Amino acid sequence: DIQMTQSPSSLSASIGDRVTITCRASQGIFNSLAWYQQRPGRIPRALISSTSILQPGVPSRFSGSGSGTSFSLTISSLQPEDIATYFCQQYDSVPLTFGGGTKVEI
Amino acid sequence: EVKVDESGGGLVQPGRSLRLSCTVSGFIFDDYAMHWVRQRPGKGLEWVSGISWNSGSTGYADSVKGRFTISRDNARNSLYLQMNNLRPEDTALYHCVKDMSAFMMICDFWGLGTQVTVSS
Repeated sequence: DIQMTQSPSSLSASIGDRVTITCRASQGIFNSLAWYQQRPGRIPRALISSTSILQPGVPSRFSGSGSGTSFSLTISSLQPEDIATYFCQQYDSVPLTFGGGTKVEI
Repeated sequence: EVKVDESGGGLVQPGRSLRLSCTVSGFIFDDYAMHWVRQRPGKGLEWVSGISWNSGSTGYADSVKGRFTISRDNARNSLYLQMNNLRPEDTALYHCVKDMSAFMMICDFWGLGTQVTVSS
């Protein structure tokens, strides 16, 4: 199975800061990576697919990059509504696997 | 409007069985793969199982393989998860999730979940 490791597990930043979350796969997954956002008390929603494709309705301050085993999610200017836990997920092979999550706080 | 509604959760003793159901509306069910994803209190997301659009392909997390069985009935717009030999560590909120595609890839739309508690 492919293991997904996210870092950091939590971070604290200020409004307007640039925030970057990393995700590493235990083996190469090409660009088969998605990112999800889960706000407190809410269900997750997909932000990004195929490493860098923003889903409809996702603000352009979110971006994704990477390939192979190393990936990142960047929020260019942190907003209050971005307070959430972010998860990466590989879909290169079954079983699908999620990273442990990164909690973003103000 | 896409709707995903889970049912069938509850309190069950270790070793017993439970069957989760999920009914959907607002999209063409048999065009998409479906998943079950669980979340323990205060913990992360764990993919449990998935099934392709025509049931031709299924997958399971190692933690549930051999105990859980996923199935779907496209005529009834329904997804199921048969959970046998339940363990305390299976306690979680179980979400039924629509994929973006016909195959197991990306979790597109999540239901609110049904709580499963395994305890004596």
